[in-house]
Order: sequence, then structure tokens, then C-alpha cells
Amino acid sequence: ETGVTQSPTHLIKTRGQQVTLRCSSQSGHNTVSWYQQALGQGPQFIFQYYREEENGRGNFPPRFSGLQFPNYSSELNVNALELDDSALYLCASSLGPVSGIRETQYFGPGTRLLVL
Amino acid sequence: QKEVEQDPGPLSVPEGAIVSLNCTYSNSAFQYFMWYRQYSRKGPELLMYTYSSGNKEDGRFTAQVDKSSKYISLFIRDSQPSDSATYLCAMKGTNDYKLSFGAGTTVTVRA
Repeated sequence: ETGVTQSPTHLIKTRGQQVTLRCSSQSGHNTVSWYQQALGQGPQFIFQYYREEENGRGNFPPRFSGLQFPNYSSELNVNALELDDSALYLCASSLGPVSGIRETQYFGPGTRLLVL
Repeated sequence: QKEVEQDPGPLSVPEGAIVSLNCTYSNSAFQYFMWYRQYSRKGPELLMYTYSSGNKEDGRFTAQVDKSSKYISLFIRDSQPSDSATYLCAMKGTNDYKLSFGAGTTVTVRA
């Protein structure tokens, strides 16, 4: 069974640029959630995708957007990067979107983004 | 006030000691409670999950949930240097699509 993978592992951008992060979900999982983890903090929910539709969104501005593809992989796009966007971006996949043991979220290794 | 509170530590214990970690929360709708372990510069790894109140044991790890007090705990027995990591509590309600995390507690087990 293949776990959750993310690319790239590290990224450096300058303020105002745009970035795209990628995630491949665990085999058999149809739901992908994205989280932002600032240094020394717990992950904060950005949004979730289920069957190619946004299924829920946290308190993040519209410049954070996403996509899910038919193979359930996903992208996170961030426009007009700000210094505070520097963080570890985590992708988590699950069997489904609703809470429950079988919907437990499994995380990838993350993409570390530095905005200068 | 944050929805989930977790003392960031750091916590330093000698090898073989019992590590005690805890979180408090304010949302009474939370029903599912998880503990994740995160090594430096890695993604969180699911350690334990429990539903509603009660205890759950898995090897050296014991998770406890007291919904009446809105308090959850994780105990690590016979701690090893390989247990050195940040431990994150996470929780959600029955129909929640997201996890709410604590800030994480950094644990160091000294050999």
C-alpha cells in the first residue's frame, strides 16, 4: 500500500509570487485535506476535497485554492504569497469526508515553503 | 481562547520514565480524539484514536478521554530515545470534515 506523497519537499519563493503544491493520496482514499503548520504550531485546516469538489474550508483567504483530480490526487495553489505563508503544508488523505474511524486522516511528509 | 489547548513543553525525561501528555478542549461536540507523533521536519503519524470517553491501550501507549472534563491524555510507558518527537492531539465531531489540533508538546527522552 502506497502512503501519502507530496512534492516538492522544499520550496523558496518571494513575496507576491504564486506556488503550486502537489499531493498523491493513499491508495483507496478519495478525500484529501490540506493543512498549514506554522513553526511551533499545530496544523490548521485549509480545505478538503472529496470527489473533485471542495467539501469544506477553514479560515483562509481566497488566494488559497485547490483542485482534486479524477485519480484523487490534489493541488494546493497560493497566489500573491505573503511572508506569513512560510510554513509546512501538509496533505492528508482519508477513505471519506465524514468523521469516523474509517475516515481517519493519514498525513504526508509535507512541503516546507519559505517566502522571502 | 483556542478550541484545543496543549502545553507546548518542552518535556525532558530519562529513558524508561512514563511520559504524560494532555490536552483540554472547549467544543463539547468533539467525539473522536487522536494523538499524532511528529518527528522533526516530518508529517504527523497517527498513534492512537479513541471514540467518546474511555481508555485505549496499544503496547506502551495509553490514551484516555474524559468528556465530562473535556480533557484527554496520552501516556507513554518505558519511554525510549526513539520516542523523542512532538506529540499533537487532534479531535473532531461526528460530522466534522476537519481535525482541530493542539499546538503540540515536544518530548525529549534522554538516554
